Amino acid sequence: AQSVTQLGSHLSVSEGALVLLRCNYSSSVPPYLFWYVQYPNQGLQLLLKYTTGATLVKGINGFEAEFKKSETSFHLTKPSAHMSDAAEYFCAVSPSSGSARQLTFGSGTQLTVLP
Amino acid sequence: EPEVTQTPSHQVTQMGQEVILRCVPISNHLYFYWYRQILGQKVEFLVSFYNNEISEKSEIFDDQFSVERPDGSNFTLKIRSTKLEDSAMYFCASVYRGASSYNEQFFGPGTRLTVL
Repeated sequence: AQSVTQLGSHLSVSEGALVLLRCNYSSSVPPYLFWYVQYPNQGLQLLLKYTTGATLVKGINGFEAEFKKSETSFHLTKPSAHMSDAAEYFCAVSPSSGSARQLTFGSGTQLTVLP
Repeated sequence: EPEVTQTPSHQVTQMGQEVILRCVPISNHLYFYWYRQILGQKVEFLVSFYNNEISEKSEIFDDQFSVERPDGSNFTLKIRSTKLEDSAMYFCASVYRGASSYNEQFFGPGTRLTVL
């Protein structure tokens, strides 16, 4: 079984400040890891993913995340927040094998960017 | 750019009524999924569908739920007798293939189901 924990359901940062969204996972086998963003009244959009290879992955909109196996973490960062980053962010895992590959999501973190 | 579409965007129904939520996946995709998000809670997997049959389903996906791909384009989720607790946003997703390498799941905008 897989699970995802996102620390903090809400995060407020000032425009230009560092964004750090935390994600820890539990999985009996190496998973694939994802961050999705959800803007109001929209679906889920993939920000970035880790499957294999380099543990630091870069995504869209200046976001990046680092897979740390020893810490079972996949925290999402952005050096400088922009007003347009205000949204809900979801960390997710999926099995790295098998055909269905369904996603298991964390509870989400609502990011507010203050002017 | 191809996208997953869902209709309706909002469905209001009375408890006990049947509802059908519709999704049009991206045309060359082979795996299809339904997820739901109860207000204020996490997105939860319901069911995956491949080759005209269910591949995996969660505990949530009980006998009140069914999925179908009635033609070459639509993918539907039916709830036979809706309960108040079925009120949620339902997301459809599709993937080109789910074999040995990773493929991104593309999500639709969701259908908000309200059961009164």
